[in-house]
Amino acid sequence: GPKVLQIPSHQIIDMGQMVTLNCDPVSNHLYFYWYKQILGQQMEFLVNFYNGKVMEKSKLFKDQFSVERPDGSYFTLKIQPTALEDSAVYFCASSFPGGRQNTLYFGAGTRLSVL
Amino acid sequence: GDSVTQTEGPVTVSESESLIINCTYSATSIAYPNLFWYVRYPGEGLQLLLKVITAGQKGSSRGFEATYNKETTSFHLQKASVQESDSAVYYCALGEDTGANTGKLTFGHGTILRVHP
Repeated sequence: GPKVLQIPSHQIIDMGQMVTLNCDPVSNHLYFYWYKQILGQQMEFLVNFYNGKVMEKSKLFKDQFSVERPDGSYFTLKIQPTALEDSAVYFCASSFPGGRQNTLYFGAGTRLSVL
Repeated sequence: GDSVTQTEGPVTVSESESLIINCTYSATSIAYPNLFWYVRYPGEGLQLLLKVITAGQKGSSRGFEATYNKETTSFHLQKASVQESDSAVYYCALGEDTGANTGKLTFGHGTILRVHP
């Protein structure tokens, strides 16, 4: 079936540095999402993105976070600067519009370790 | 806020045995939640297993089924006879039916299922 690819699968970074997580969504999808899962906790919604704009973001989406999809390429999540509490697995998802509660396709996640 | 509680794993069963993974939800901010089961196989992203958007209806896929029970606020996942290939992590989730593609889902913790041959 359709695949969402996340690169890399694991990223280690020093606190205070910038990190960009990359997501290659399903090619004809128009909606994009990031979720965050801290070890031992549930996956939680961070943000959704459509037509070049953030539509909705949760309280977890701090001011240090930003998302973009320049020129239809990767959908990215940038954290600048990183903090220890940003250590988590970040899941990207995409969907095609249509129907009620459209189906999300998720990537396998990028594990971010902030030291 | 909204929440989802599911069976704490890991759940270990033998091949051809029956399975039930419990899921209950609390939708305080959503009048008509939609309910989902997602599955994650090793090394892969979450895949939608089944979804039900109307209370009282049953969803089914790959031999799995779940009934949306609004009275008991439950959406238990069942399978009559599991296979080793069903070993994965199963997530119950709820979402709001706004007619818009918000993709905003509330997930449970996930239940690890191990099926022995």
